[in-house]
Formats: sequence, structure tokens, C-alpha cells
Amino acid sequence: GQSLEQPSEVTAVEGAIVQINCTYQTSGFYGLSWYQQHDGGAPTFLSYNALDGLEETGRFSSFLSRSDSYGYLLLQELQMKDSASYFCASQNQAGTALIFGKGTTLSVSS
Amino acid sequence: DAGVIQSPRHEVTEMGQEVTLRCKPISGHNSLFWYRQTMMRGLELLIYFNNNVPIDDSGMPEDRFSAKMPNASFSTLKIQPSEPRDSAVYFCASSPGQGRAEAFFGQGTRLTVV
Repeated sequence: GQSLEQPSEVTAVEGAIVQINCTYQTSGFYGLSWYQQHDGGAPTFLSYNALDGLEETGRFSSFLSRSDSYGYLLLQELQMKDSASYFCASQNQAGTALIFGKGTTLSVSS
Repeated sequence: DAGVIQSPRHEVTEMGQEVTLRCKPISGHNSLFWYRQTMMRGLELLIYFNNNVPIDDSGMPEDRFSAKMPNASFSTLKIQPSEPRDSAVYFCASSPGQGRAEAFFGQGTRLTVV
């Protein structure tokens, strides 16, 4: 089976940097993805790591360490619109279906 | 492409009734997933298809739930009979497959069973 653990809530102020951690336990692992979901909306893809290291996409970066079964999403120059839920997700043994963590609610204040 | 299209967006039904949720994936995508989202349980994978074939339905909670994908452009999730605890947002998502990681989600169907 698979399970992913991430903090339930994180708060920060505009302009700050925040890191959302994710640890996983899987019987098979292909890669770690990150998704953003605003209230009432659908999850949208942010980033994917198949290999160890850092992937950067604008203000967002994602990191993976396979040896530690750990990854994180780094959000820089926070804006109010970044207030949302963030999910880490892993691919299962077949490399297709995504299993999601419970999500981290990020609240950005001014 | 219009993205993943789900219908209906909202459904209110009485306990015991049959509910059918519909999904049109993005054209050319090989994988299709059905998820259920609740506050308590988060995003749960119910079933996924690869090239229209069900690969893993271990997430389907009970025999009351069934899913089909008769062709590459259409899938249904059926609940019969429905119960109040089935109330949730049901998402359909599709993915290009072939090693690409991202899944594209529809806007979801908010199901309320009273």
C-alpha cells in the first residue's frame, strides 16, 4: 500500500517563503507530484519529481530525496492568491495512478 | 481542448436512488481516474482505467459502486443504491500516460444524498 504524510495547516505572510513537507511509505514508488486546490475548485498540477533533487517552476520549487522517502514544496514570494490546499501525491507501482496525501491548508495573510 | 468534463456539477438525491456520474476525459489521454473527496478522508482513489481497461478498483468502497469506460471518451461512476455517507465531491481525472506524471482534473460533481 501507499501512505503520504504532510502537515494539515501552515500559515505565512505575504512575501514570505514557506516549505510544505511530505513523507511517504510505498511498496512501489515512481515519483512525487504536487497539486494545488483552491476552495470549491479542482486540484491542479504544480510539479513532479522522479529523480532526487530540486525542480524549479517560477515561484514554486519541489524537492525529492528517495533515500529519505521525503519531499517538499517550496513557495517563495508568497501572495494572497497562494492561499489554498496543497497535496503531495505518489505514483503507484504501475506508474500511473496517483495516491494523494491528506493535504496542507496554506493561509497567507497580509 | 475543453479539459476533463464532468456532469452533473451538482446532484441531490434521496437515499436509495441510483446515481450516475459522467466523465469525458481529454482526447488522447490513456489513463482515467475517479476520486472521491471528503473533509474526513481527503482525496481517495476509487478506480483507474488504462486504455479503457479497469486496472485497480480496490478503492471502490462497496459493491454499490461500479464504474465503466465503454470507450476512450466516456466513463461513468454509478452508485446504486445511494446512501447519505456517499455525499462527497467526486472528481474524474485523466492523464496522458507514457511516463508523464500530471493528471488533469474535471471540476467535480458535488453529490448530496438526503
